[in-house]
Amino acid sequence: GQQLNQSPQSMFIQEGEDVSMNCTSSSIFNTWLWYKQDPGEGPVLLIALYKAGELTSNGRLTAQFGITRKDSFLNISASIPSDVGIYFCAGQLGGNEKLTFGTGTRLTIIP
Amino acid sequence: GAVVSQHPSRVICKSGTSVKIECRSLDFQATTMFWYRQFPKQSLMLMATSNEGSKATYEQGVEKDKFLINHASLTLSTLTVTSAHPEDSSFYICSARVRGQEGGKLFFGSGTQLSVL
Repeated sequence: GQQLNQSPQSMFIQEGEDVSMNCTSSSIFNTWLWYKQDPGEGPVLLIALYKAGELTSNGRLTAQFGITRKDSFLNISASIPSDVGIYFCAGQLGGNEKLTFGTGTRLTIIP
Repeated sequence: GAVVSQHPSRVICKSGTSVKIECRSLDFQATTMFWYRQFPKQSLMLMATSNEGSKATYEQGVEKDKFLINHASLTLSTLTVTSAHPEDSSFYICSARVRGQEGGKLFFGSGTQLSVL
Protein backbone atom coordinates (compact mmCIF):
# COMPACT_ATOMS: atom_id res chain seq x y z
CA GLY A 1 0.00 0.00 0.00
CA GLN A 2 0.89 3.66 -0.16
CA GLN A 3 3.40 5.00 2.33
CA LEU A 4 4.43 8.45 3.29
CA ASN A 5 8.10 9.37 3.10
CA GLN A 6 9.68 10.43 6.35
CA SER A 7 12.99 12.18 6.69
CA PRO A 8 15.45 11.56 8.10
CA GLN A 9 15.28 7.79 8.36
CA SER A 10 17.34 7.88 11.54
CA MET A 11 18.84 10.46 13.83
CA PHE A 12 21.67 10.28 16.34
CA ILE A 13 21.67 13.24 18.70
CA GLN A 14 22.92 14.24 22.12
CA GLU A 15 20.63 14.80 25.04
CA GLY A 16 19.37 18.35 25.13
CA GLU A 17 19.45 18.88 21.39
CA ASP A 18 16.41 19.85 19.39
CA VAL A 19 15.03 17.44 16.78
CA SER A 20 13.23 18.09 13.52
CA MET A 21 11.67 15.55 11.21
CA ASN A 22 9.22 15.73 8.35
CA CYS A 23 6.77 13.69 6.38
CA THR A 24 5.85 14.19 2.75
CA SER A 25 3.20 12.78 0.48
CA SER A 26 2.42 12.88 -3.21
CA SER A 27 -1.26 13.37 -2.41
CA ILE A 28 -3.12 15.57 0.04
CA PHE A 29 -4.45 14.57 3.42
CA ASN A 30 -7.02 16.30 5.59
CA THR A 31 -5.68 14.94 8.87
CA TRP A 32 -2.11 14.40 9.98
CA LEU A 33 -1.14 12.43 13.06
CA TRP A 34 2.18 11.79 14.76
CA TYR A 35 2.86 8.63 16.74
CA LYS A 36 5.80 7.30 18.77
CA GLN A 37 6.55 3.61 19.01
CA ASP A 38 8.81 1.97 21.58
CA PRO A 39 10.31 -1.48 20.86
CA GLY A 40 7.76 -4.25 21.20
CA GLU A 41 4.91 -1.84 21.80
CA GLY A 42 2.10 -0.32 19.81
CA PRO A 43 2.29 3.30 18.61
CA VAL A 44 1.19 6.03 20.99
CA LEU A 45 -0.54 9.12 19.66
CA LEU A 46 1.45 12.32 20.18
CA ILE A 47 -0.29 15.04 18.19
CA ALA A 48 -3.25 15.29 15.81
CA LEU A 49 -3.58 18.04 13.18
CA TYR A 50 -6.81 18.83 11.37
CA LYS A 51 -6.29 22.07 9.47
CA ALA A 52 -3.78 23.20 6.86
CA GLY A 53 -1.25 25.53 8.46
CA GLU A 54 -2.17 24.40 11.96
CA LEU A 55 0.60 24.42 14.54
CA THR A 56 -0.01 22.32 17.64
CA SER A 57 2.12 21.66 20.69
CA ASN A 58 2.17 18.87 23.25
CA GLY A 59 4.78 19.68 25.88
CA ARG A 60 8.17 19.72 24.18
CA LEU A 61 6.66 18.49 20.93
CA THR A 62 5.38 20.78 18.21
CA ALA A 63 3.86 19.65 14.93
CA GLN A 64 2.65 21.55 11.90
CA PHE A 65 0.19 20.68 9.16
CA GLY A 66 1.78 21.83 5.90
CA ILE A 67 -0.06 24.49 3.95
CA THR A 68 -0.06 22.33 0.82
CA ARG A 69 -1.69 19.49 2.78
CA LYS A 70 1.04 17.22 1.46
CA ASP A 71 3.45 17.43 4.36
CA SER A 72 3.81 17.71 8.08
CA PHE A 73 6.63 18.46 10.49
CA LEU A 74 7.45 17.38 14.02
CA ASN A 75 9.89 19.16 16.29
CA ILE A 76 11.11 18.00 19.69
CA SER A 77 12.86 20.52 21.85
CA ALA A 78 15.52 19.76 24.47
CA SER A 79 15.52 16.00 23.90
CA ILE A 80 15.65 13.63 26.86
CA PRO A 81 16.46 9.89 27.01
CA SER A 82 12.80 8.83 26.96
CA ASP A 83 12.40 10.47 23.55
CA VAL A 84 14.27 7.50 22.05
CA GLY A 85 12.06 5.49 19.75
CA ILE A 86 10.54 5.45 16.30
CA TYR A 87 8.33 8.31 15.21
CA PHE A 88 5.67 7.72 12.59
CA CYS A 89 3.54 10.22 10.77
CA ALA A 90 0.15 9.17 9.47
CA GLY A 91 -2.21 10.82 7.04
CA GLN A 92 -5.92 10.47 6.58
CA LEU A 93 -8.09 11.78 3.79
CA GLY A 94 -11.52 11.54 5.41
CA GLY A 95 -12.81 11.09 8.94
CA ASN A 96 -13.78 7.47 8.53
CA GLU A 97 -10.99 6.41 6.26
CA LYS A 98 -7.89 4.40 7.03
CA LEU A 99 -4.59 5.91 8.03
CA THR A 100 -1.57 5.77 5.78
CA PHE A 101 1.65 5.53 7.78
CA GLY A 102 5.04 7.01 7.09
CA THR A 103 8.27 5.06 6.85
CA GLY A 104 9.36 6.15 10.32
CA THR A 105 12.21 8.11 11.86
CA ARG A 106 14.33 6.30 14.42
CA LEU A 107 15.66 8.59 17.13
CA THR A 108 18.72 7.58 19.14
CA ILE A 109 20.33 9.64 21.87
CA ILE A 110 24.08 9.33 22.13
CA PRO A 111 25.40 9.25 25.71
CA GLY B 1 -9.22 7.07 28.51
CA ALA B 2 -9.10 5.41 25.07
CA VAL B 3 -7.24 2.29 26.13
CA VAL B 4 -6.92 -0.60 23.71
CA SER B 5 -5.95 -3.96 25.18
CA GLN B 6 -4.39 -6.61 22.97
CA HIS B 7 -3.80 -10.20 24.01
CA PRO B 8 -1.60 -12.18 23.95
CA SER B 9 1.50 -10.02 23.80
CA ARG B 10 3.63 -12.86 22.54
CA VAL B 11 2.86 -16.26 21.11
CA ILE B 12 5.01 -19.06 19.79
CA CYS B 13 3.32 -21.82 17.84
CA LYS B 14 4.07 -24.75 15.61
CA SER B 15 3.62 -24.52 11.88
CA GLY B 16 0.10 -25.50 10.85
CA THR B 17 -1.64 -24.38 14.00
CA SER B 18 -4.06 -21.47 14.29
CA VAL B 19 -3.57 -18.49 16.56
CA LYS B 20 -6.21 -16.07 17.81
CA ILE B 21 -5.38 -12.52 18.83
CA GLU B 22 -7.88 -10.39 20.73
CA CYS B 23 -8.26 -6.64 20.66
CA ARG B 24 -10.51 -4.91 23.17
CA SER B 25 -11.41 -1.29 23.69
CA LEU B 26 -11.57 -1.00 27.47
CA ASP B 27 -13.22 2.35 28.11
CA PHE B 28 -14.94 3.22 24.87
CA GLN B 29 -16.96 1.73 22.06
CA ALA B 30 -15.22 1.22 18.75
CA THR B 31 -17.29 0.93 15.63
CA THR B 32 -14.15 0.44 13.59
CA MET B 33 -11.01 -1.49 14.41
CA PHE B 34 -7.95 -1.91 12.24
CA TRP B 35 -5.39 -4.69 12.09
CA TYR B 36 -1.82 -3.93 11.12
CA ARG B 37 1.24 -6.02 10.52
CA GLN B 38 4.76 -4.80 11.13
CA PHE B 39 8.02 -6.45 10.15
CA PRO B 40 11.26 -5.55 11.97
CA LYS B 41 12.42 -2.01 11.30
CA GLN B 42 9.52 -1.36 8.97
CA SER B 43 6.38 0.70 9.10
CA LEU B 44 2.86 -0.46 9.89
CA MET B 45 1.02 -2.05 7.00
CA LEU B 46 -2.75 -2.16 7.17
CA MET B 47 -4.15 -5.65 6.76
CA ALA B 48 -7.87 -5.11 7.20
CA THR B 49 -10.57 -2.82 8.50
CA SER B 50 -13.08 -4.37 10.85
CA ASN B 51 -16.54 -2.90 11.36
CA GLU B 52 -18.84 -4.13 14.10
CA GLY B 53 -21.48 -6.47 12.77
CA SER B 54 -20.20 -6.65 9.22
CA LYS B 55 -17.53 -8.38 7.20
CA ALA B 56 -14.02 -7.06 7.36
CA THR B 57 -12.51 -5.19 4.43
CA TYR B 58 -9.12 -6.58 3.50
CA GLU B 59 -6.28 -4.72 1.85
CA GLN B 60 -4.98 -5.89 -1.48
CA GLY B 61 -2.73 -8.90 -1.14
CA VAL B 62 -4.04 -9.96 2.28
CA GLU B 63 -5.66 -13.40 2.23
CA LYS B 64 -9.02 -13.20 3.98
CA ASP B 65 -9.16 -16.97 4.46
CA LYS B 66 -5.76 -16.88 6.08
CA PHE B 67 -6.42 -13.97 8.40
CA LEU B 68 -9.93 -14.31 9.80
CA ILE B 69 -11.35 -11.23 11.47
CA ASN B 70 -14.41 -11.16 13.68
CA HIS B 71 -15.78 -7.92 15.11
CA ALA B 72 -18.62 -9.32 17.19
CA SER B 73 -19.19 -6.37 19.50
CA LEU B 74 -18.39 -2.69 19.85
CA THR B 75 -15.50 -3.53 22.17
CA LEU B 76 -13.96 -6.68 20.73
CA SER B 77 -12.30 -7.68 17.49
CA THR B 78 -10.32 -10.86 16.93
CA LEU B 79 -7.74 -11.84 14.34
CA THR B 80 -7.16 -15.54 13.74
CA VAL B 81 -4.11 -16.57 11.79
CA THR B 82 -5.12 -19.92 10.34
CA SER B 83 -2.64 -22.67 9.57
CA ALA B 84 0.25 -20.43 10.51
CA HIS B 85 3.58 -20.80 8.74
CA PRO B 86 7.00 -19.30 9.51
CA GLU B 87 6.45 -16.50 6.99
CA ASP B 88 3.47 -15.36 9.10
CA SER B 89 5.84 -14.53 11.94
CA SER B 90 5.45 -10.83 12.55
CA PHE B 91 4.29 -8.14 14.97
CA TYR B 92 0.51 -7.72 14.74
CA ILE B 93 -1.09 -4.57 16.10
CA CYS B 94 -4.73 -3.63 16.40
CA SER B 95 -6.14 -0.15 16.67
CA ALA B 96 -9.54 1.33 17.33
CA ARG B 97 -11.41 4.49 16.54
CA VAL B 98 -13.63 5.95 19.22
CA ARG B 99 -17.29 5.72 18.28
CA GLY B 100 -18.65 9.13 17.42
CA GLN B 101 -15.19 10.62 17.07
CA GLU B 102 -14.32 10.03 13.49
CA GLY B 103 -11.68 12.72 13.56
CA GLY B 104 -8.90 10.39 12.57
CA LYS B 105 -7.42 9.51 15.93
CA LEU B 106 -6.58 5.86 16.27
CA PHE B 107 -5.57 4.26 19.55
CA PHE B 108 -3.34 1.24 19.36
CA GLY B 109 -2.98 -1.96 21.31
CA SER B 110 0.42 -3.02 22.59
CA GLY B 111 0.89 -5.55 19.81
CA THR B 112 1.33 -9.30 19.53
CA GLN B 113 4.63 -10.85 18.51
CA LEU B 114 3.87 -14.05 16.64
CA SER B 115 6.65 -16.56 16.09
CA VAL B 116 5.84 -19.64 14.03
CA LEU B 117 8.33 -22.48 14.32
